Amino acid sequence: IAGITQAPTSQILAAGRRMTLRCTQDMRHNAMYWYRQDLGLGLRLIHYSNTAGTTGKGEVPDGYSVSRANTDDFPLTLASAVPSQTSVYFCASSTGFGTRDEQFFGPGTRLTVL
Amino acid sequence: AQTVTQSQPEMSVQEAETVTLSCTYDTSESDYYLFWYKQPPSRQMILVIRQEAYKQQNATENRFSVNFQKAAKSFSLKISDSQLGDAAMYFCAYRSLRDDKIIFGKGTRLHILP
Repeated sequence: IAGITQAPTSQILAAGRRMTLRCTQDMRHNAMYWYRQDLGLGLRLIHYSNTAGTTGKGEVPDGYSVSRANTDDFPLTLASAVPSQTSVYFCASSTGFGTRDEQFFGPGTRLTVL
Repeated sequence: AQTVTQSQPEMSVQEAETVTLSCTYDTSESDYYLFWYKQPPSRQMILVIRQEAYKQQNATENRFSVNFQKAAKSFSLKISDSQLGDAAMYFCAYRSLRDDKIIFGKGTRLHILP
């Protein structure tokens, strides 16, 4: 693994189903993030984690949950998917709080909720 | 709350010409970082250039440079000698040092005309 990986690459999901998007980084970054990208709206922060064991809400957290059991993994769960959650989801990481470093992004997951 | 505004949804430039993408932001913080990211059709987010707010000198990376006007809260990206590979969506981003969140603009889609 080099950098950030996300799985699956794409998924079609029936409304009401539970879905977990996976994100793993091998850079030992402390901070991790989940964004959704929608046409005309740019990237919006869903949840973030400054370090393992802590999480925080972003701009659009409703309907999503995250956990950060260790440094490398930061899964995003949709407990009961709705069509408005159709989007491209990006996971990102950075070295840590208050550093000058940029965020590194995964390749994204395209999710369609029918 | 901080906001980032990109007022140009789309722009076009002739190959080998120069183009400037605009970005303004709103914040009450005095120290922060600003970034430009590029997203080509592959969907991968790529860092183009970064600027620390405490630095007066404008950042430069090869053909990419910024015009950072802190008082005006403006952070434009200039691409010189435009190439076909520069065609992409460009996002301006603001990073707070207080809570480590990064706020993205809605993006500018840049077309390069051969």
